[in-house]
Parts: sequence; structure tokens; C-alpha cells
Amino acid sequence: DIQMTQSPSSLSASVGDRVTITCRSSQSIGNYLNWYQQKPGKAPKLLIYAASSLQSGVPSRFSGSGSGTDFTLTIGSLQPEDFATYYCQQSHSTPTVTFGGGTKVENK
Amino acid sequence: QVQLQESGPGLVKPSETLSLTCTVSGGSTRNYYWSWIRQPPGEGLEWIGYVYYTGSTIYNPSLKSRVSISMDTSKNQLSLKLSSVTAADTAVYYCVRENWGSGYSYQIFDLWGQGTLVTVSS
Repeated sequence: DIQMTQSPSSLSASVGDRVTITCRSSQSIGNYLNWYQQKPGKAPKLLIYAASSLQSGVPSRFSGSGSGTDFTLTIGSLQPEDFATYYCQQSHSTPTVTFGGGTKVENK
Repeated sequence: QVQLQESGPGLVKPSETLSLTCTVSGGSTRNYYWSWIRQPPGEGLEWIGYVYYTGSTIYNPSLKSRVSISMDTSKNQLSLKLSSVTAADTAVYYCVRENWGSGYSYQIFDLWGQGTLVTVSS
């Protein structure tokens, strides 16, 4: 199994801050890496696919980068609606995909 | 607009079989993979398995011995059965559409149901 490790597991930030979340895979996955946002009581929502492609309708303050084993999700200027938990997901070993443990972004 | 809605018992006894249905409305199940993903309270996401509209299935190896997923295209429904449940199977269960880019250039879970909480308890 490909293991996905996110860091940090949680962070505190303020509106307007630049936020960076890291995801590392246990083996190279090329660019088969997606990012999701989940708010309490809601299903996850796709933000970024193929490591750096912005899903339709997602604000441009969200961006993704990386390839191989190291990936980053960046929120350029944190907005009130961005406080949530973020998950990375690899699809290199499809159909058996795996998710990272999540990063909770909290209001400082 | 395509929507997914999970349904089924919210409480299942230990050792029994968990059974859920997902109804796809506003669109067809054809040409897509349909997955079940679960999330224990306060924890992360675990892919359970998928069914293609043709009925072919693939399961997470960690659950393979207990899982069955099927598709009824005439009803636009897919179902999940998980046998011999324990408290560790308590989770929100999501029905999810899986989509692929051209040439399998990428894979995404682009449409999610609202999820349904299933509690395993006597």
C-alpha cells in the first residue's frame, strides 16, 4: 500500500494568511495526487486534481504543486470559509486509492 | 444536476451485515465508476471499493473478505453490503462518483453523497 502522510495535522491561522499544507507519499506517485476540503458534517469537496489542476469553480487562491513523493497545497490568502480539514489522496495505485490523515485549519 | 443519496439503517448489531443503498438522480450511472468511502467519527477517509456500471467490482484488500458492492442500472442504484461488522465499522459511509481524465491522465472523486452515519452497537 502507498501511505500518504500529511503535515501538519493541524494549524492555526488568521484570515489573510498564506497557508501551506504538505503531503508526502511512501513511494513515487507521479502527479496522481488530489486535494479535498471537508467542512464539519459535510462530504469532502475536490479542490485540486493531478497535483496542480484547479477543479472548476474552486477559487484561484487555492493552488497545488509537487510531483513524485512531495506535494503542497497552498491557500494564497485565507478566507473565513476556508477553515476546514484538508485531505490529500493518491490514485497512482488505483483502484486501491489512499488518503492522507488530514490537516485541520483552525482560526487563530 | 446529478445527486447521490445514501440510505439504510443507522444502527447495526455486531456480527450482522451492514446494508446501504445509493440512489443516483438527475443522471445516468453509465460509463462511471461508483465507489463507497467511509469515515469513522473524527478520523480520516477510507476507500471501500467500487462498482463499474457494467457490474464489475474492485475492493479494498483490507475489507475484501467482508464487502460486496453491486449495481442496478435499471434503478440507478448501487448497494453496499459489509458482513460481520464490529464497532470498528462505525462510520459515515459516502457514495461517490469516480471520474477519469482522458487517457487515464488523472482520477478524481468528483461527486459525493451527503453521507450516512452507521453505528455498530448492540
